[in-house]
Amino acid sequence: KAGVTQTPRYLIKTRGQQVTLSCSPISGHRSVSWYQQTPGQGLQFLFEYFSETQRNKGNFPGRFSGRQFSNSRSEMNVSTLELGDSALYLCASSPGLAGALSTDTQYFGPGTRLTVL
Amino acid sequence: KQEVTQIPAALSVPEGENLVLNCSFTDSAIYNLQWFRQDPGKGLTSLLLIQSSQREQTSGRLNASLDKSSGRSTLYIAASQPGDSATYLCAVRTDSWGKLQFGAGTQVVVTP
Repeated sequence: KAGVTQTPRYLIKTRGQQVTLSCSPISGHRSVSWYQQTPGQGLQFLFEYFSETQRNKGNFPGRFSGRQFSNSRSEMNVSTLELGDSALYLCASSPGLAGALSTDTQYFGPGTRLTVL
Repeated sequence: KQEVTQIPAALSVPEGENLVLNCSFTDSAIYNLQWFRQDPGKGLTSLLLIQSSQREQTSGRLNASLDKSSGRSTLYIAASQPGDSATYLCAVRTDSWGKLQFGAGTQVVVTP
């Protein structure tokens, strides 16, 4: 099975712009989570989607948003970029079997490296 | 509020030595704990997942233990190799919907 794929792998944007990142989960996986990784804050949870619905959200401003499509692919959007948004954005997928989400292993993609100038 | 701590932040060992990596968490109400490795600039690779009802998990040279009551997990890597050089992260799940909470990681260097 192919792993989690993320596109693009690298992005350079300027302050004030917006950006959309894409994540394709492992085939058959229904849950997609997003994380931000920075040297100062480490790995922080952004949000999780399951069956096209956001099930959980971290402590990030409303400029960070996401969605999930019927094929489980997910996108996250960051509007009005700030310098502090420069980070590695990681997507993870899990099977999401009904009633067993809490026991799932999360499988991570390679990440998208976003640089904001 | 759950806090996850990994000590030490960095570790250097000669090839062949056993590695012992520590992870502690403040709230014992967890669903599971997962260990990952991360190579520089790359994503995370899942190593082991321990459910809250389990005491340990093993995979090849890796063994992870979990003591929920004391809020600790230990990852043992037997007979370390230079290819084991990476950052190792532990994460706990305290919510049935996603949201892994990560430690800051232990950076490991195995010298030939």
